[in-house]
Amino acid sequence: GDSVTQMEGPVTLSEEAFLTINCTYTATGYPSLFWYVQYPGEGLQLLLKATKADDKGSNKGFEATYRKETTSFHLEKGSVQVSDSAVYFCALMGRGNQFYFGTGTSLTVIP
Amino acid sequence: GAGVSQSPRYKVAKRGQDVALRCDPISGHVSLFWYQQALGQGPEFLTYFQNEAQLDKSGLPSDRFFAERPEGSVSTLKIQRTQQEDSAVYLCASSLSSGGTEAFFGQGTRLTVV
Repeated sequence: GDSVTQMEGPVTLSEEAFLTINCTYTATGYPSLFWYVQYPGEGLQLLLKATKADDKGSNKGFEATYRKETTSFHLEKGSVQVSDSAVYFCALMGRGNQFYFGTGTSLTVIP
Repeated sequence: GAGVSQSPRYKVAKRGQDVALRCDPISGHVSLFWYQQALGQGPEFLTYFQNEAQLDKSGLPSDRFFAERPEGSVSTLKIQRTQQEDSAVYLCASSLSSGGTEAFFGQGTRLTVV
């Protein structure tokens, strides 16, 4: 069945460091891929998405490229800020239109 | 409304009690989803509605869980005879349509069964 595997956390980085959170997926066909973010005390918010192979989603300095050949959708940011501290979830939308989420990666950025 | 609204935000239930969790999706959104998020885990799919039709309920963990969306807008997730393992955050999400569109999530209802 459809599933998402993402890098285990927690991740702690210094401000302005480079961030990568790995995400790979298993799916039938060509799902849409998403990164959601959950800030402390808040609900899940869409960070970025890609709907087909080689698409790059980007938002707030974050980006991820849909790689069909490696079934991956890794999240990257060149220079993290303290305000980026949150839990990040990789997700895919399967054929039945439901989302399948990874287990989440907690990021803490220290000044 | 401005976003997906869920109520109550917090619910404490005694084991064996029935609970009802409400979701008000964004007006006009066709698709509605319920998810269960255990502590430290990602959301797990429970069920999906397109308008009033429940198209997929494969994620409901037992027949104690029941969801409805009778008029294609507000949805209620009911859990009968709650057990401790039902303790989790229950998330509702809605989207304008299907097929790769963004889903907007509510803040969730944190259910604690004691």
